[in-house]
Amino acid sequence: GQQVMQIPQYQHVQEGEDFTTYCNSSTTLSNIQWYKQRPGGHPVFLIQLVKSGEVKKQKRLTFQFGEAKKNSSLHITATQTTDVGTYFCAGRQYSNSGYALNFGKGTSLLVTP
Amino acid sequence: EAGVVQSPRYKIIEKKQPVAFWCNPISGHNTLYWYLQNLGQGPELLIRYENEEAVDDSQLPKDRFSAERLKGVDSTLKIQPAELGDSAVYLCASSLGSGTYEQFFGPGTRLTVL
Repeated sequence: GQQVMQIPQYQHVQEGEDFTTYCNSSTTLSNIQWYKQRPGGHPVFLIQLVKSGEVKKQKRLTFQFGEAKKNSSLHITATQTTDVGTYFCAGRQYSNSGYALNFGKGTSLLVTP
Repeated sequence: EAGVVQSPRYKIIEKKQPVAFWCNPISGHNTLYWYLQNLGQGPELLIRYENEEAVDDSQLPKDRFSAERLKGVDSTLKIQPAELGDSAVYLCASSLGSGTYEQFFGPGTRLTVL
């Protein structure tokens, strides 16, 4: 089952406002990936974070991995209508079946012009 | 380069009927995943293949679900018999390996069980 918690579940912002989604795990993650799923589409890989405290930027998107490798965040500066979609974090954890990637429930972002 | 191909895109069946989904991963991708995605939820892993070997099927309901990847390339997921609760999107994904590699998802098959 899903062991990665994501908040908020929904976020509605005006275009130009910032947006942040948070991902938390009760156990240490080996790495974390972020995906974006547009309405009616399929998940598309955005980025992977591996190192403790790692910060990566993609244009207006900033991704952080916590020092304890148990939490992560995605921050979008000055949202645009093209940012609409659901953002999923996926944490990689070791299990009896090897390393498994567990997806959070996602944060659905709605941006109104 | 072609992405992950899935068929059919949509399927409507009555409960207790069988159904099968097909996936062709990106060429050269050894790892193949089948996920189930319910509305408002994240993808949930059903089974993971490394080449033709199912290395993680712990979440696959084996009483009614089965999967195969005979030649280590394309894969089929089957449900028999289908139940109302099986209505969902079934996603196939592939990656170069199962370590730190990104997963490429197909468009999914939306199953409706009546």
